[in-house]
Amino acid sequence: KAGVTQTPRYLIKTRGQQVTLSCSPISGHRSVSWYQQTPGQGLQFLFEYFSETQRNKGNFPGRFSGRQFSNSRSEMNVSTLELGDSALYLCASSSGTGSPLHFGNGTRLTVT
Amino acid sequence: KQEVTQIPAALSVPEGENLVLNCSFTDSAIYNLQWFRQDPGKGLTSLLLIQSSQREQTSGRLNASLDKSSGRSTLYIAASQPGDSATYLCADVGSGGSNYKLTFGKGTLLTVNP
Repeated sequence: KAGVTQTPRYLIKTRGQQVTLSCSPISGHRSVSWYQQTPGQGLQFLFEYFSETQRNKGNFPGRFSGRQFSNSRSEMNVSTLELGDSALYLCASSSGTGSPLHFGNGTRLTVT
Repeated sequence: KQEVTQIPAALSVPEGENLVLNCSFTDSAIYNLQWFRQDPGKGLTSLLLIQSSQREQTSGRLNASLDKSSGRSTLYIAASQPGDSATYLCADVGSGGSNYKLTFGKGTLLTVNP
């Protein structure tokens, strides 16, 4: 069974640009959540989608948004990039409440 | 607001040693607690998940315990190996019951020396 797949693995963008990251969950998993990992703040929850609906949202500015498609694949968008957005962005999927989260290898975003 | 703390931040041990990693959380009304490992430049690998009604979970050389009353969880690694070298993270799911909004500790960087 394929794991969680995130594309691309690496991205380099310039301040002010926008970026879209993609996540394909494990087959059959309907919940997809996103996390930002930085050396200073560690892992922080961004948002979670279930059946194309955002169910939870973390404390991030509106520049961070996402969506989920009918096939459970999810995208995350960051607009007007700032230097502080440089981070590893991780996507996780789960089969249901009480089940473990499974993470992808992440997308490393560098903003210059 | 839930806070998760992991001690120590880093640990270096010789191969073969048994070791314990600690995780504490401020809100005892957790739904479950999950332990992960992260290798450099990679995502997180799920190790063990303990439901709030459970006291411990075991998988191979790993044993995780949960004590909600004291707000603590421990990850016990038996007979450590160099391949166990990684960052270990614990994360709790809050009392809201959402399995999808984890609060993470900062992790313990484990180095097992051959």
